[in-house]
Amino acid sequence: DSGVTQTPKHLITATGQRVTLRCSPRSGDLSVYWYQQSLDQGLQFLIQYYNGEERAKGNILERFSAQQFPDLHSELNLSSLELGDSALYFCASSVRWDENTEAFFGQGTRLTVV
Amino acid sequence: GENVEQHPSTLSVQEGDSAVIKCTYSDSASNYFPWYKQELGKGPQLIIDIRSNVGEKKDQRIAVTLNKTAKHFSLHITETQPEDSAVYFCAASGKGNFGNEKLTFGTGTRLTIIP
Repeated sequence: DSGVTQTPKHLITATGQRVTLRCSPRSGDLSVYWYQQSLDQGLQFLIQYYNGEERAKGNILERFSAQQFPDLHSELNLSSLELGDSALYFCASSVRWDENTEAFFGQGTRLTVV
Repeated sequence: GENVEQHPSTLSVQEGDSAVIKCTYSDSASNYFPWYKQELGKGPQLIIDIRSNVGEKKDQRIAVTLNKTAKHFSLHITETQPEDSAVYFCAASGKGNFGNEKLTFGTGTRLTIIP
């Protein structure tokens, strides 16, 4: 158990809908990262937060947004869902934001858009 | 930005033999290189990492080597066991505008240990 908690584990929703994925980082970790894992694309970086502030953006669609709350949990919001958004979404956390920080992943949320 | 290539994409090894997975990276500023193991239905698990001031690191049956000049690093698993079967990802982390902004992952290697 990495200590990173993601909910829900599975989510099935229809096209056009909006969903929220939740992540609780390890105790003491200030940085949260979101990744998308599709079958044919590996782990794609979406966005990073550190202590409530956005630090870096990857290939995150405009339909997606995220935030990190004062208690350090983070939410990833996906709207106007399309079939192609079906994927595993992982959250990871680390103590700091510098380049030598180990990142630990949660178990992921499997999103299926039908 | 950083680009990480990983080979091979699949690898089958007889139980007890060694397995080697190789990665190359593009950003010479990268200085942290973790390896993750992902079992079916689970999240990636950090198994070993290496920093740029070290050339090799071992942890029991697992070792990682780093060649900064050539910009490549490798994972070595010795005396493989059935529970080593999983997908392995390498990653590289460089210093961006704010430091460790992200890990860039390789495309993964599906390792199968044949009993």
